[in-house]
Amino acid sequence: AQSVTQLGSHVSVSEGALVLLRCNYSSSVPPYLFWYVQYPNQGLQLLLKYTSAATLVKGINGFEAEFKKSETSFHLTKPSAHMSDAAEYFCAVSENSYGKLTFGQGTILTVHP
Amino acid sequence: KAGVTQTPRYLIKTRGQQVTLSCSPISGHRSVSWYQQTPGQGLQFLFEYFSETQRNKGNFPGRFSGRQFSNSRSEMNVSTLELGDSALYLCASSSGQGLTGELFFGEGSRLTVL
Repeated sequence: AQSVTQLGSHVSVSEGALVLLRCNYSSSVPPYLFWYVQYPNQGLQLLLKYTSAATLVKGINGFEAEFKKSETSFHLTKPSAHMSDAAEYFCAVSENSYGKLTFGQGTILTVHP
Repeated sequence: KAGVTQTPRYLIKTRGQQVTLSCSPISGHRSVSWYQQTPGQGLQFLFEYFSETQRNKGNFPGRFSGRQFSNSRSEMNVSTLELGDSALYLCASSSGQGLTGELFFGEGSRLTVL
């Protein structure tokens, strides 16, 4: 069965600093990988997705992620954090299963002025 | 284009009662999935419906059930509520074609069981 591990339940950065949120996956088949963001009292919004077309994936709001098969990683980065990036971020994997994503436990990103 | 709509947004029930949550998917989407989100267990898959048929199911007891109507709207029902059922219930829709899993989520229904 597939699984997702997000390293660090909380990450704190200063405004303008690099954002790095870590995600490692375990999958028995080539995976489809996703990053979602959740703001307080809201649902999940898709940031970006990897579906084997390109290893470096660009998403919304300046985020990007790189798929590294050798490291089974799909880390999320943003060069310069903004206060509005404060939220909880979820990495997810899907493999050959209708409607089902397996999510990591989430990483809460705090951005300090 | 309207997004995924879930109703009600908030509700409070007592143990032993039952609850029905509703989800209207994005227009043209035929697949609806349901997830439970709790602080302890995170996001867990409940089930998925496509063209009124359940295609996939997670590891939840039979108290959790769902259905989908011909217009793709979906409902989920939880019977004999327990305190542990307190959670944010998220609905997600997709075209249902293929297995890539890109889901579009609603804002959720927050259930509190007293």
